[in-house]
Amino acid sequence: ETGVTQTPRHLVMGMTNKKSLKCEQHLGHNAMYWYKQSAKKPLELMFVYNFKEQTENNSVPSRFSPECPNSSHLFLHLHTLQPEDSALYLCASSQDPRHSTNEKLFFGSGTQLSVL
Amino acid sequence: KNQVEQSPQSLIILEGKNCTLQCNYTVSPFSNLRWYKQDTGRGPVSLTIMTFSENTKSNGRYTATLDADTKQSSLHITASQLSDSASYICVVSGSNDYKLSFGAGTTVTVRA
Repeated sequence: ETGVTQTPRHLVMGMTNKKSLKCEQHLGHNAMYWYKQSAKKPLELMFVYNFKEQTENNSVPSRFSPECPNSSHLFLHLHTLQPEDSALYLCASSQDPRHSTNEKLFFGSGTQLSVL
Repeated sequence: KNQVEQSPQSLIILEGKNCTLQCNYTVSPFSNLRWYKQDTGRGPVSLTIMTFSENTKSNGRYTATLDADTKQSSLHITASQLSDSASYICVVSGSNDYKLSFGAGTTVTVRA
């Protein structure tokens, strides 16, 4: 295990549903991330939190709402999603958001989301 | 255009054979280059991290090479095993902002 736990592993939701993804890291890291991974495409960075403060939002639609109550927990609240939002959503953590050579990024196993 | 391009997109090899994956990048200035392995249904796991001054780095049967002058890297898998079936992702960090640029990955299938 990588020390980053995501739940649920799989999620199917309708376009009018509201659901939340949860991420917890047991590594004592200060930075946490949400990434979107679509088939055959590079990972897309969505949000960055450092010391539970949001430091980056890569023009993500407002139907995705992140929440970081502390440095160990990260949520992604979903509402009125579109079918094109179907993807693998990965949470990650690192000690520092500046990815210098000594900074490893640890990923969770992801939530496979299907929007019907 | 993506700053990190990987080739081939996918490949199939027989168990026990070797293979080499390619990564070309345009990120500049450059800080470090990473290779990740991602098993189906799992998150990526780090294999190697190299700085511009490192030409090669190994992790078991995985050997990464880097040519910072031509902005190319390769990942060589020796004596492949069925467990090597996965997607391999090249990731580059720039030294201006230390943000990560991801390649789309190469899917490797090892057959018995």
